[in-house]
Amino acid sequence: DAEITQSPRHKITETGRQVTLACHQTWNHNNMFWYRQDLGHGLRLIHYSYGVQDTNKGEVSDGYSVSRSNTEDLPLTLESAASSQTSVYFCASSEQGVTEAFFGQGTRLTVV
Amino acid sequence: KNQVEQSPQSLIILEGKNCTLQCNYTVSPFSNLRWYKQDTGRGPVSLTIMTFSENTKSNGRYTATLDADTKQSSLHITASQLSDSASYICVVSAGNTDKLIFGTGTRLQVFP
Repeated sequence: DAEITQSPRHKITETGRQVTLACHQTWNHNNMFWYRQDLGHGLRLIHYSYGVQDTNKGEVSDGYSVSRSNTEDLPLTLESAASSQTSVYFCASSEQGVTEAFFGQGTRLTVV
Repeated sequence: KNQVEQSPQSLIILEGKNCTLQCNYTVSPFSNLRWYKQDTGRGPVSLTIMTFSENTKSNGRYTATLDADTKQSSLHITASQLSDSASYICVVSAGNTDKLIFGTGTRLQVFP
């Protein structure tokens, strides 16, 4: 069965370190998204991609970057982790148009 | 500013009872509205997707309604079960961007 997986599920890192969160989908979807979820906020869009070599900034993109070298993967990199980036991160994928978006299980990141 | 607001913030009901969750949005141009269920520690899972021309859609015991004129939606859960305990998130897609705008969710707890 097709799926979308994130790794790691949990991570603790130190302030200032570079961190990469992985997202891999086997739906063959063109659209991929990264969100963060914090108490009191809905999921907020960090970066998104509509296809290979395409990346776009979302509403909370500062301090994050992504790259899309193939259809299946959209890794999220925190260039220099900050305590404000402690959060739960979700990756999602979808086809274009009014179609269901599928979410990964999430990565809980703690920056100490 | 595009916003999605949900009420109530939390809700406690007894098993077997019905409940209705509300969603108001100020998203323009409107494309579609979705309801997601998010279990604790998991990613959101789609329940329904409705476009402008649809005013009701069901998925088992879940029935969503949409009034595009008043920009309101509701999710009705019939004969609640313990497994319905979760957060229910209203999500609106704007224009033709495939980007999703999330509400903060209603946390539902079903007790025996």
